[in-house]
Amino acid sequence: DTAVSQTPKYLVTQMGNDKSIKCEQNLGHDTMYWYKQDSKKFLKIMFSYNNKELIINETVPNRFSPKSPDKAHLNLHINSLELGDSAVYFCASSQDTAVAPVYNEQFFGPGTRLTVL
Amino acid sequence: AQKVTQAQTEISVVEKEDVTLDCVYETRDTTYYLFWYKQPPSGELVFLIRRNSFDEQNEISGRYSWNFQKSTSSFNFTITASQVVDSAVYFCALSEAYSTLTFGKGTMLLVSP
Repeated sequence: DTAVSQTPKYLVTQMGNDKSIKCEQNLGHDTMYWYKQDSKKFLKIMFSYNNKELIINETVPNRFSPKSPDKAHLNLHINSLELGDSAVYFCASSQDTAVAPVYNEQFFGPGTRLTVL
Repeated sequence: AQKVTQAQTEISVVEKEDVTLDCVYETRDTTYYLFWYKQPPSGELVFLIRRNSFDEQNEISGRYSWNFQKSTSSFNFTITASQVVDSAVYFCALSEAYSTLTFGKGTMLLVSP
């Protein structure tokens, strides 16, 4: 059974389009995250949710809107896609009940490679 | 200033060589956590180890070992007798009291046969 799953794995789209990435975890964790990994492999947190509530928004443009319908799901919707949004997006979850400090290991999904043309 | 510095961008070794990946961190907190993650060519991120700031004991897990030294703010990772399957990008990360995980820029390790 996959612990953290993301769909789709690859996403190719035109500039200006709106797209969504879905994430589900079956680990029973309370905290979920979205990370962006750029072409130089730099990993940066975008959002953190604890028990369906947004806790951290790391100066991400408001074209990015996370939504957590329940504790097991954290989706990412991106409006008006730009070339600079091309990256790999990782969803993760952890047992942490508070968002900071992060104590427990984070389980990462397989990533979604987004290419904006 | 970077909170987590992995000065080695890329390291190339030949199989069976030992290799050390450096990680230097910066924090004013007394309680913090350090992590290492591995990202093989397939792309997933795999947890390797967590260490809290109060536990300076070195850790060994098979061919992997970690050296945590608060005096030099370092948390270095050594692979003994490297293998081709160790080829990956390795990330060191820091968790502080009022922030989530901050990753270093990663070190790409290439192990050739």
